[in-house]
Amino acid sequence: DTAVSQTPKYLVTQMGNDKSIKCEQNLGHDTMYWYKQDSKKFLKIMFSYNNKELIINETVPNRFSPKSPDKAHLNLHINSLELGDSAVYFCASSRLAGGPTDTQYFGPGTRLTVL
Amino acid sequence: GNSVTQMEGPVTLSEEAFLTINCTYTATGYPSLFWYVQYPGEGLQLLLKATKADDKGSNKGFEATYRKETTSFHLEKGSVQVSDSAVYFCALSDYGGATNKLIFGTGTLLAVQP
Repeated sequence: DTAVSQTPKYLVTQMGNDKSIKCEQNLGHDTMYWYKQDSKKFLKIMFSYNNKELIINETVPNRFSPKSPDKAHLNLHINSLELGDSAVYFCASSRLAGGPTDTQYFGPGTRLTVL
Repeated sequence: GNSVTQMEGPVTLSEEAFLTINCTYTATGYPSLFWYVQYPGEGLQLLLKATKADDKGSNKGFEATYRKETTSFHLEKGSVQVSDSAVYFCALSDYGGATNKLIFGTGTLLAVQP
């Protein structure tokens, strides 16, 4: 059973379009995250939700809007896509928010290519 | 702010060679430290972690010791295999009381040749 799953795995789209990436975890975790990995493999956090509440919002453009319908799902909607949005987006989850020893479990990633 | 510095790659080794990937950190407080591995075309997997000073994390023959005095968490393996070829990320937990996020290093590509 996949612990953290993402769909789609690949997403190719034109500039200006709107797209969504979905994430689901079956680990029973309370906290979920979105990270962005750029072309140089650098990983940076974007958002974090704890039990459907937004708790981390790093300086991400307003075009990015996360939504958590329940604690097992965290989706990422991106409006007006730009070339610079091309990256791999990783979803992750952990047992507790604010627990420095907790392990974050990552999904397989969604490779977004904006043409 | 908190940060992680990793040695630049790529690191190219022959099978059965000894591996060290250096990682140092800057942090206030006492973060937990992690090594994640990303195999080609896959997501990140936790390799090992250490949650306090002098702890040693180990898994699959890899080891790393949390050294507070040198603010380091170097990854080592005594004998690498071709299947260890991947990108290795050092990370620390940036704990903000009610929030926790991982701060990653830039990753180190390891290529093991037969």
